[in-house]
Amino acid sequence: EAEVAQSPRYKITEKSQAVAFWCDPISGHATLYWYRQILGQGPELLVQFQDESVVDDSQLPKDRFSAERLKGVDSTLKIQPAELGDSAMYLCASSALLGQGGNNEQFFGPGTRLTVL
Amino acid sequence: KQEVTQIPAALSVPEGENLVLNCSFTDSAIYNLQWFRQDPGKGLTSLLLIQSSQREQTSGRLNASLDKSSGRSTLYIAASQPGDSATYLCAVSNTGGFKTIFGAGTRLFVKA
Repeated sequence: EAEVAQSPRYKITEKSQAVAFWCDPISGHATLYWYRQILGQGPELLVQFQDESVVDDSQLPKDRFSAERLKGVDSTLKIQPAELGDSAMYLCASSALLGQGGNNEQFFGPGTRLTVL
Repeated sequence: KQEVTQIPAALSVPEGENLVLNCSFTDSAIYNLQWFRQDPGKGLTSLLLIQSSQREQTSGRLNASLDKSSGRSTLYIAASQPGDSATYLCAVSNTGGFKTIFGAGTRLFVKA
């Protein structure tokens, strides 16, 4: 069964260091999402891609976070420099659009647990 | 600005009970609503997706309903089992499929 892949699963870093997360969506899914989930809360959308284009990054702290999906397939989310408050689960999801064989249902990867010391 | 609220925040029930989880949203101009399950430390598993034009969806012991005009959705779980213990999240996508907003979730514990 097709799945969203993410790596690494766990990351421990010190504040002021740079970290990067990788996501490979389900094959054929044009839409890719990055979310941040703080313990006890629901996920918060950071950035949404349609193919290689950003369609929503209104909640992305652009002074330290960046995201790219250069070829419209896999994606990287980077934090530089990391801060203590960035400790959270970073989740990637993908979906296929209506009219492209999908119904916009979002499928999630296992997430990357980030701890900033 | 869309806001999503889930009630109750936590729920403990004995095995075999039927139960209802609630989700409310403030802007009725939604594209779809999706219910997820999340086990501790894991990613989200999609349970049911309801398009804005639909009233309900069913999968096995799960039934989700949508009332756009009142800004509400319910997830009904029949004959609950200990394996149903998890956090249940609802998420609303605004018109066009953009800007998905999640509720904080309901933590469910089913006692054997």
